[in-house]
Amino acid sequence: GENVEQHPSTLSVQEGDSAVIKCTYSDSASNYFPWYKQELGKRPQLIIDIRSNVGEKKDQRIAVTLNKTAKHFSLHITETQPEDSAVYFCAAAVSGYALNFGKGTSLLVTP
Amino acid sequence: SQTIHQWPATLVQPVGSPLSLECTVEGTSNPNLYWYRQAAGRGLQLLFYSVGIGQISSEVPQNLSASRPQDRQFILSSKKLLLSDSGFYLCAWNVGETQYFGPGTRLLVL
Repeated sequence: GENVEQHPSTLSVQEGDSAVIKCTYSDSASNYFPWYKQELGKRPQLIIDIRSNVGEKKDQRIAVTLNKTAKHFSLHITETQPEDSAVYFCAAAVSGYALNFGKGTSLLVTP
Repeated sequence: SQTIHQWPATLVQPVGSPLSLECTVEGTSNPNLYWYRQAAGRGLQLLFYSVGIGQISSEVPQNLSASRPQDRQFILSSKKLLLSDSGFYLCAWNVGETQYFGPGTRLLVL
């Protein structure tokens, strides 16, 4: 089955700096890669996703890159703000099937 | 628009008691439905998923079970709770690729 590794497990950055979270996956059949943000005590919320026919996708301060050959994908947050502090989960799946999640990255943005 | 409901929102139960958590989805038909558990400060563990009425796949063997009596209803049950069953239980659904989570049930087993 699919195995998703996520690094780092914790990340602390100063406000305004960039944050990068990296994930690797094992199943070459996976073609859908979403990222979720979970604030304390709340449900995970989808923030961005990418499909295997695209190498990069951007939405304002958030971008995701995908390297299919190396089987890794990354989340980039620029100009971080304190409200970006949360746990971020990556996931990989064959489209329409159950998501396989990484273990999460706890991001802290300090003012 | 599609919405997903879970209840109860919080629950405190003694060890050995039964459990029933309910999830319903509105505004869509024939969704894939999922139950996840999240222990405090931990990741998302997939417990069960269902692609249709009466169709349940179990990911992790344990004292929990799931049922899908109706297209948009997914139930998580236990006959006897363990301390280790404490956690945040999240129902999720997807039609196509995108998966959405319900608000969750926070369960504390004492």
